[in-house]
Amino acid sequence: AQSVTQLGSHVSVSEGALVLLRCNYSSSVPPYLFWYVQYPNQGLQLLLKYTTGATLVKGINGFEAEFKKSETSFHLTKPSAHMSDAAEYFCAVRLSGAGSYQLTFGKGTKLSVIP
Amino acid sequence: GAVVSQHPSRVICKSGTSVKIECRSLDFQATTMFWYRQFPKKSLMLMATSNEGSKATYEQGVEKDKFLINHASLTLSTLTVTSAHPEDSSFYICSARFQGGAFGGPGFRDTQYFGPGTRLTVL
Repeated sequence: AQSVTQLGSHVSVSEGALVLLRCNYSSSVPPYLFWYVQYPNQGLQLLLKYTTGATLVKGINGFEAEFKKSETSFHLTKPSAHMSDAAEYFCAVRLSGAGSYQLTFGKGTKLSVIP
Repeated sequence: GAVVSQHPSRVICKSGTSVKIECRSLDFQATTMFWYRQFPKKSLMLMATSNEGSKATYEQGVEKDKFLINHASLTLSTLTVTSAHPEDSSFYICSARFQGGAFGGPGFRDTQYFGPGTRLTVL
């Protein structure tokens, strides 16, 4: 079984400031990890994912995340927030290996960007 | 690439009627699609896994007779909410599993791509 914990249901940052959204996971086997973004009344858009290989993953819109096995974390960062980054962000985990396609989502973190 | 569409985007219906929501993978074939339900200010709850050519697998607590799922082709899955009631009002989101390969368009292999969602309001 796997689970995801997103610390902070709501994060506010000033425009131009660092964005840090926290995600911790638990998984019985090596996980695949994902970050999705959801704008109001829209579906989810994949930002980035980690499966194997390089632990620092770069995604769209300037976001990146680092897989830290020792800390069971996959925090999402962006050096400089933009007003258009305001949205809900979901971290998700999936078990690696064939036959394990279901995603388990965290509860989401709403990011507000203050001008 | 790896685009998933949903139709309709918004539907309002009277209590007791049935509503069908379509989920299509536009540029890739998907043997597996998923249906989620999202309550206001909540995360996504997986309702069922839809497999092409076979019966859907429902999560615990989801009524299969209430939420009928059909996955008749490699690019289309449908969710029918039967005899809808106000408590069924929600945001329904589908996703399709992109497997890559000869029929797949550009995208991350073995990743779920999500549709834009359908807002259902039952009066």
